[in-house]
Amino acid sequence: DIQMTQTTSSLSASLGDRVTISCSASQGISNYLNWYQQKPDGTVKLLIYYTSSLHSGVPSRFSGSGSGTDYSLTISNLEPEDIATYYCQQYSKLPWTFGGGTKLEIK
Amino acid sequence: QVTLKESGPGILQPSQTLSLTCSFSGFSLSTSGMGVGWIRQPSGKGLEWLAHIWWDDVKRYNPALKSRLTISKDTSSSQVFLKIASVDTADTATYYCARIPFYDGYPYFDYWGQGTTLTVSS
Repeated sequence: DIQMTQTTSSLSASLGDRVTISCSASQGISNYLNWYQQKPDGTVKLLIYYTSSLHSGVPSRFSGSGSGTDYSLTISNLEPEDIATYYCQQYSKLPWTFGGGTKLEIK
Repeated sequence: QVTLKESGPGILQPSQTLSLTCSFSGFSLSTSGMGVGWIRQPSGKGLEWLAHIWWDDVKRYNPALKSRLTISKDTSSSQVFLKIASVDTADTATYYCARIPFYDGYPYFDYWGQGTTLTVSS
């Protein structure tokens, strides 16, 4: 199985900050990577697909990048509604696997 | 408007079979390229993909649980079902279903249900 590692399990930032969340794959995944946001009430939303494509309706302050084994999600100008846990997910090979999540909190 | 909603028993005893239903609206599983998947999350932990089913009835399972999983669909009633045999306490989790459009070669879970919680306890 491809292991997805989000080394930062929690992150604290101030409103208006630029935040970067990292995700690393145990082998190359050819940009086959998605990012999801899970709010404290459990609601899950797709943010980014195929490394850098913004899902419909997602604010443009969210962006994704990366290649090979290393990927990142950037939130520019952090807003209060961005408080959530963020997960990466690879679909290069079955079984599809998720990172362990990065919980974003406000300072 | 795409919506999905999971339903399940809430509580089971060890060794019983879990039956989950995902009822959806706003799309059809008879549409080419469409799929529905199941993902679970133990309390305070991360997400785990379990299985998904495509419009053409192709099914994919997580090998870690494959022998215990059965996914199926009823296109006419807009429902997808997941059965997990012989549950134990490790299966205690919130179970989500999610839509998977696969039109352009890039599958992703674009709409998720609110989740249904399962507790396995004797």
